[in-house]
Amino acid sequence: QSALTQPASVSGSPGQSITISCTGTSSDVGDYNYVSWYQQHPGKAPKLMIYEVYNRPSGVSNRFSGSKSGNTASLTISGLQAEDEAAYYCSSYTRTISLHVLFGGGTKLTVL
Amino acid sequence: QVQLVESGGGVVQSGRSLRLSCAASGFTFSSYTIHWVRQAPGKGLEWVALIWHDGSYKYCADSVQGRFTISRDPSKNTVYLQMNSLRAEDTAVYYCARDRGGGTFDSDYWGQGTLVTVSS
Repeated sequence: QSALTQPASVSGSPGQSITISCTGTSSDVGDYNYVSWYQQHPGKAPKLMIYEVYNRPSGVSNRFSGSKSGNTASLTISGLQAEDEAAYYCSSYTRTISLHVLFGGGTKLTVL
Repeated sequence: QVQLVESGGGVVQSGRSLRLSCAASGFTFSSYTIHWVRQAPGKGLEWVALIWHDGSYKYCADSVQGRFTISRDPSKNTVYLQMNSLRAEDTAVYYCARDRGGGTFDSDYWGQGTLVTVSS
């Protein structure tokens, strides 16, 4: 099964907002509200930023928000800061029998 | 505090075996599902395997099915990934991660990762 589809890169200036999309199918993103988003800085482990489409774990800034429409989920980062520059991955539960968890290909966010 | 520490990575020849360990601390180990996720150099994340909190259910992705086995030892608070018949495409950093719980298959704590390099 193919990975979820994300743009390879996005960029924005400090203070601006950006949105990263994550497109799946009716077997994963479209069928369950089990979409999560991870932030990964170079050489570091991923960090959970959003779970169950729009929920933030304790300690994650409210500048990060999630949403979903049909087979596409989105991560929005408002008030961009330099430390937001990282790779972002979406993830979804999938009912495909060969997998349980599907990741997106990742999006590199550059803060200009 | 919650900690997951992977070990066992290294350089191994194609076709050989390796066992990775994930030592957990700071939480009730027997209450959580654990995942293994890997990341090839310069590439994205790939889910590899999971094992339920009590070990009663385990599953490996198609890409490693029949070659990798996941297990856990509650007496040692450790999850293992036995990797057999290794291939060049298995070269990656392997992370273990704690499932947040509730059947949503997302992970709230991750280890620092251990690098596996398969040479031909």
